Amino acid sequence: QVQLQESGPGLVKPPQTLSLTCTVSGGSISSGVYYLSWLRQHPGKGLEWIGYISYSGSTYYNPSLKSRFTISVDTSKNQFSLRLSSVTAADTAVYYCARTRIAVASSYFDYWGQGTLVTVSS
Amino acid sequence: EIVLTQSPGTLSLSPGERATLSCRASQSVSSSSLAWYQQKPGQAPRLLIYGSSTRATGIPDRFSGSGSGTDFTLTISRLEPEDFAVYYCQQYGSSPLFTFGPGTKVDIK
Repeated sequence: QVQLQESGPGLVKPPQTLSLTCTVSGGSISSGVYYLSWLRQHPGKGLEWIGYISYSGSTYYNPSLKSRFTISVDTSKNQFSLRLSSVTAADTAVYYCARTRIAVASSYFDYWGQGTLVTVSS
Repeated sequence: EIVLTQSPGTLSLSPGERATLSCRASQSVSSSSLAWYQQKPGQAPRLLIYGSSTRATGIPDRFSGSGSGTDFTLTISRLEPEDFAVYYCQQYGSSPLFTFGPGTKVDIK
C-alpha cells in the first residue's frame, strides 16, 4: 500500500522560504507512469495544483501561480520536496503531496499525504 | 484555461437517498481526463472515479460516474452515513494542466 507523508514547519515568517518534504513508502517513486505532485488548499477553500516532478527530475508548474515554487526529488530517499520563497499570509494553507498518474487513458491523483497546515505569520 | 463549475453548491439529503452531482466544463474535456474526489473534514481528498466512469480501487459500487464533453455527473445511488462530505471534480489537459471544481457539499438533511 503506497503511503505519502508530508513533513515541515507548521509556522513560517514572511518573507522566509517554506520547505516541505514528502516521503513515499510502500513503493518506489522511480516509475515512469507516475509523477509526484504538490497541491494546496487554502482554509475553507478548494484544491489548487502547484506542480509535479518526475522521478528523473522533470518539473511542470501551474503557470497561474507566480514562479516562487521549486519542486525537487531525491530518489535515493524516496522523497520529493517543495520550496516556496518569499512567503506571505496568502500562502497559509494545507499543503498536500500526491502521487500522480499521467497517461493518455487517464490522469489523476491516486494517493495523497494527510496534508500539513502551514501558517505564515510574523 | 478550462473552468470547472459544480452544482449544486450544497446538496441536503437523507441517508438512503440518491445523490446526483454535476460538473460542467467551460470547454470540452476528454472523458479520460475527468476524475472525482471525496473529502471529509480534516482529511485529504480520496480518489473515487477516474476516466469519468472508472471506480478507483476499493470504491463501493454505489458510486458511479458518467458524462462526456462538457457535462459530467457523479451519482451516489444510496447515501450511506459515511458519504456526507465534499466532492470535487478535476480535469487534466488544459493549462494549468490540472484544475478542480469548487466542490459540492453533501450534507445530512
